[in-house]
Amino acid sequence: QSALTQPASVSGSPGQSITISCTGASSDVGTYHLVSWYQQFPGKAPKLIISEVNKRPSGVSDRFSGSISGNTASLTISGLQAEDEADYYCCSYVGYVTLYVFGTGTTVTVL
Amino acid sequence: QAQLVESGGGLVEPGGSLRLSCAASGFTFSHYYMSWIRQAPGKGLEWISYITNSNGYTNYADSVKGRFTISRDNARNSLFLQMNNLRAEDTAVYYCAADKYYSQSGGYLPESWGQGTLVTVS
Repeated sequence: QSALTQPASVSGSPGQSITISCTGASSDVGTYHLVSWYQQFPGKAPKLIISEVNKRPSGVSDRFSGSISGNTASLTISGLQAEDEADYYCCSYVGYVTLYVFGTGTTVTVL
Repeated sequence: QAQLVESGGGLVEPGGSLRLSCAASGFTFSHYYMSWIRQAPGKGLEWISYITNSNGYTNYADSVKGRFTISRDNARNSLFLQMNNLRAEDTAVYYCAADKYYSQSGGYLPESWGQGTLVTVS
């Protein structure tokens, strides 16, 4: 099972909106439509910020939103803030053999 | 609030063994699938193994199959990873994760993560 494809980096100015794509295949994202997103700061564990494509856990800012179209999931960060600088990973359920696969990761930079 | 605490990492020579532990609290451990996920220095996340909640079915990524063994003790709310025949490419931070079941899709994704434990093979 191959890693999902994400852009290596995305940048934006404070207040702007950015979108991170996560492209899989018909065997993962396209079949199960079960995708989550994680935020990771240097030296820290990943933190769940979006589950089930577009659901935010309690305490996660509503500036984070998710969507899906075909084999591609997306994470949008609205009203970009300096504190959003981090690495972001998508993850898709892929079945009972591998269970899930992660994206290649995207570094978000606030200009 | 779910809490996962890994331990057991350290420096080991190639060919050596280590046993990682993960202590769980704040949720019903026996209800969750559990996974080990690793992250090599400067690299992305890699799922390496999972174990089901009750019957203990397990599976592994090809990169560790035959060398690593995942197990759990529901009575002690603990997850383990026995790592044998370690290689330089196994150097990574190892995270345990509680996998949540999403009934609408019929699948699992990691919900809670530990802080990680560093394994260095050199």
